[in-house]
Amino acid sequence: KQEVTQIPAALSVPEGENLVLNCSFTDSAIYNLQWFRQDPGKGLTSLLLIQSSQREQTSGRLNASLDKSSGRSTLYIAASQPGDSATYLCAVGKTSYDKVIFGPGTSLSVIP
Amino acid sequence: KAGVTQTPRYLIKTRGQQVTLSCSPISGHRSVSWYQQTPGQGLQFLFEYFSETQRNKGNFPGRFSGRQFSNSRSEMNVSTLELGDSALYLCASSLEGFAEAFFGQGTRLTVV
Repeated sequence: KQEVTQIPAALSVPEGENLVLNCSFTDSAIYNLQWFRQDPGKGLTSLLLIQSSQREQTSGRLNASLDKSSGRSTLYIAASQPGDSATYLCAVGKTSYDKVIFGPGTSLSVIP
Repeated sequence: KAGVTQTPRYLIKTRGQQVTLSCSPISGHRSVSWYQQTPGQGLQFLFEYFSETQRNKGNFPGRFSGRQFSNSRSEMNVSTLELGDSALYLCASSLEGFAEAFFGQGTRLTVV
């Protein structure tokens, strides 16, 4: 049974710092891995999608890596800004239509 | 291009009643997935529909059901509501299953 964990559960950093969020999964047979951002009381916004055959994806100040063999993904945020404050979730599925398993999320607070 | 639209945004229902939630996906998207989000359990997969067929279902009781119409719009129904059904219900659309998913703003259901 796939389990997804995220460390840390919460993180508070001063503006401008680079930071890393971690996502671990127990079953390496994944279809892809997605990172999402969720603002309080809102839906999820897709940040980065990494196909199972890829090692990393980049979008602006965000970089996500995937190591299937070790069951880990990291989300790197460069030069953090107060607007980055949100909860970040990772999600995996075994096939394109499998039950998608989300991690519990990391709550990020960037202090001005 | 219009995003994913969920209606209604907020609902208050009484125990024992039933409720229907609606999700209109992005034009051209044929996959719609539903999720329940609660503070205690996080985001949990309910079911996924593709071209009017349910392809996968999460571990929820039969009180939770859904359907998808020929225009890809989807509805989710919960019968005999319980207090524990209070949650944010999110739907996501994508071109194909667990490809890049676009989420709606959610329906906040409160059962009293």
